[in-house]
Amino acid sequence: GQQLNQSPQSMFIQEGEDVSMNCTSSSIFNTWLWYKQDPGEGPVLLIALYKAGELTSNGRLTAQFGITRKDSFLNISASIPSDVGIYFCAGQKTGNTPLVFGKGTRLSVIA
Amino acid sequence: GAGVSQTPSNKVTEKGKYVELRCDPISGHTALYWYRQSLGQGPEFLIYFQGTGAADDSGLPNDRFFAVRPEGSVSTLKIQRTERGDSAVYLCASSSPSDRGRTDTQYFGPGTRLTVL
Repeated sequence: GQQLNQSPQSMFIQEGEDVSMNCTSSSIFNTWLWYKQDPGEGPVLLIALYKAGELTSNGRLTAQFGITRKDSFLNISASIPSDVGIYFCAGQKTGNTPLVFGKGTRLSVIA
Repeated sequence: GAGVSQTPSNKVTEKGKYVELRCDPISGHTALYWYRQSLGQGPEFLIYFQGTGAADDSGLPNDRFFAVRPEGSVSTLKIQRTERGDSAVYLCASSSPSDRGRTDTQYFGPGTRLTVL
């Protein structure tokens, strides 16, 4: 099935560094979402974006909905050890329709 | 409050056997989704229920896969004649309609890890 193009696949960073990851699609989505998944758990929603060009923050996380509606990025500032995990972008055409996920970015933080 | 729960957490079966995976959504959530996540991949959509009916089953890979939600709450994903390629984590998510017309947050369960030997 379709999956979004997410990069990078993995990142190793020092604690305190900023992180950036992005997601692109060949088709338009009306909602972009960013999830985090810890081992043995389901994905947990971090940020939801509903409008092209929208920039939204949640604590140290900032995400933007691309103006073309075909891309999004997620920034994490001043990373800490608990940021370790796999981050997924997801696109949604309309409310209550299935999510289309990227392949994930695996983040490792070195203390 | 209670989140989405899935049972069993792990299931090991032999090729050709039948398995059932259960999802208990958040109470009151009318929408329920099944996704499959293979190793190193993001979740991929299988089927979506609105109430008791399957609103979209376009993600089911073949007719060995079937899901039901007879009372609009608990759902069961059924896989017949399992194959080794069916090995994956099966995730369930539920959501409730928003009165703002925005995306309804999908809350995921921890998943069932299915291994077909």
